[in-house]
Amino acid sequence: NFMLTQPHSVSESPGKTVTISCTGSSGSIASNYVQWYQQRPGSAPTTVIYEGNQRPSGVPDRFSGSIDSSSNFDSSSNSASLTISGLKTEDEADYYCQSYDSSNHWVFGGGTKLTVL
Amino acid sequence: QVQLQESGPGLVKPSETLSLTCTVSGYSISSGYYWGWIRQPPGKGLEWIGSMYHSGSTYYNPSLKSRVTISVDTSKNQFSLKLSSVTAADTAVYYCARIVGATQPFDGWGQGTLVTVSS
Repeated sequence: NFMLTQPHSVSESPGKTVTISCTGSSGSIASNYVQWYQQRPGSAPTTVIYEGNQRPSGVPDRFSGSIDSSSNFDSSSNSASLTISGLKTEDEADYYCQSYDSSNHWVFGGGTKLTVL
Repeated sequence: QVQLQESGPGLVKPSETLSLTCTVSGYSISSGYYWGWIRQPPGKGLEWIGSMYHSGSTYYNPSLKSRVTISVDTSKNQFSLKLSSVTAADTAVYYCARIVGATQPFDGWGQGTLVTVSS
């Protein structure tokens, strides 16, 4: 079964930049199949990045998404990243990547707890 | 704007069947899109349970497939989740959501409903 792996936690200071990785277990993550969600305690997840690098309206441009370009001859890769620049204390939350595989299955990464110190 | 709301018992006994309903407003299920269930055990991450296309096709997480059924009631604009033979490991907040397409994110998440499996 296809799996997505994220670091369990990351921490950084306000104003700095942090990157959270999301690595597929096998095959490739098509960049346009990767979504990123932010989840604050007690709330449902909300989308911060969709289709790899698209930002919904209302999400600050401090949030950006990308794929690992080190191995692609086309748009496929096996890792994606979420980068948050100019960190604010309000960015402290859990972040999940999510993708979709060729067997019509949706998959979530294990989640990364972001601490803004 | 589409809105989804989960409902169902908050307590289920071990070995019994968990049944939840998601009521959709602001969009007709039969018009299109996928509709899905996701769960989150206390203190843990999100797990996709299964999805249903508006035409009725269903897709399930392989780890849960033998116990899961997702169905739709278009007359009530609702879709439902049944999870059989539950154990304490099925204790979680259960969310329903819409998926506009495979390349699109889950949206319109419900607020979630906590289901506890305990005798």
